[in-house]
Formats: sequence, C-alpha cells, structure tokens
Amino acid sequence: GAVVSQHPSRVICKSGTSVKIECRSLDFQATTMFWYRQFPKKSLMLMATSNEGSKATYEQGVEKDKFLINHASLTLSTLTVTSAHPEDSSFYICSARDHGGLPDTQYFGPGTRLTVL
Amino acid sequence: QQQVKQSPQSLIVQKGGIPIINCAYENTAFDYFPWYQQFPGKGPALLIAIRPDVSEKKEGRFTISFNKSAKQFSLHIMDSQPGDSATYFCAARRPAGNKLTFGGGTRVLVKP
Repeated sequence: GAVVSQHPSRVICKSGTSVKIECRSLDFQATTMFWYRQFPKKSLMLMATSNEGSKATYEQGVEKDKFLINHASLTLSTLTVTSAHPEDSSFYICSARDHGGLPDTQYFGPGTRLTVL
Repeated sequence: QQQVKQSPQSLIVQKGGIPIINCAYENTAFDYFPWYQQFPGKGPALLIAIRPDVSEKKEGRFTISFNKSAKQFSLHIMDSQPGDSATYFCAARRPAGNKLTFGGGTRVLVKP
C-alpha cells in the first residue's frame, strides 16, 4: 500500500518557538494532503487541506497564521506551528490522497507528537 | 449535519468474539464510508470502506454493513484476536474537497 511518512515523530519545544512538521508521500504523488489534530483519546479533527501549488484551505476555527501550511511539491507538505504555546501540544497527523490510484483513499502518516513546554 | 456519531466508546470481548461498532450520520451528501484502525501513538490505517450503493462488504475478518435508509453503518470483526485491540474510527467523506469527517472512535479490547 501507499506510504506516508512524517518527520519528526516527536518534538519538544519551548513556548514561543516555531516548529515545522513534514509530511511526505513516499511512493505516490499527492496533489492534496490533509492535516489533522488529535487530542488524547479523542477523534481526528481536520485542520486544513493542503493543495500543491496553491494556498491551503483551513477549517472553521483554525488560525491560518498560527498553522502555516506549504505544499511545494507533489510529495511534500509542511505544517509550521508558529509561536507555539502549551495548548498547541497535540498529536498532528497528515494524510495524502493518491492522485494516481483509487480516488477515494487517504493514506495517513504515523503522526507527530508535539509537546510545548 | 456534518457529524458522524459512533458507538460504543469502548468494547471488551473475548478472543473469537465479534465486536460490533455502529455509526450514524445525517448528511446524505456523504458518498464514501471508510473505517480506520489506530494503535496508540500511530496514525490511522485504512481497514475497509464502502459506498452507499452497497449493503455489505467483506474483507478478511472485517465486514461493513450499510443501511442507507437508516443512515447507519457498522463494522463487525469476525473471530477477533488480541492483536485486533485498537481504536477504530468510522468516517464519512464529503464529495466537495474529499474531506473526511470522523466518528468519535471505539476502543476495542480483545481478551485472550
């Protein structure tokens, strides 16, 4: 099956710093990637849709200036949490839509655990 | 209207039992219903998925039953094993933007 990777898997940072998380589709091209946030023992909440070569679209209530998304190539999307605060601590998961495969399938990355001190 | 309601929140079965997880939705525009399995600290993995024009789909030990008129669908795990212990999420896709809305999740524990 299609593989999506995320880097880093875990990151701890100080309050006020910015953190970049990478999402890569390893064996397929993804014109569309999605970023989710998951709190402990909770469901996945869609934050934004990342479109290759264009601006990301954000879900209602998600601050676009806080969570910067860049999708510069067909295999890479990045999420930057700017001026992170403890309430941004969460599990961030990306998914990628296989452009050349089954149109309905989203493949998920392994997630990135962000802890803001 | 965008919500997907999932029940139960948790489930304990003995090895060989059949955990059943139910989901309900309101938005009739949803056109694709996948199920995901998630282990602690990992991303969700696609298990099986169904379209609303199909009433049942089986893949290995996993079966989805779909009731379009009731706007409900369920996952059955046949001959469950301890390795199936995980959190299971149903989801529904909005055609516009291919966005998924997830249910709240069900933690399944299969006892040896």
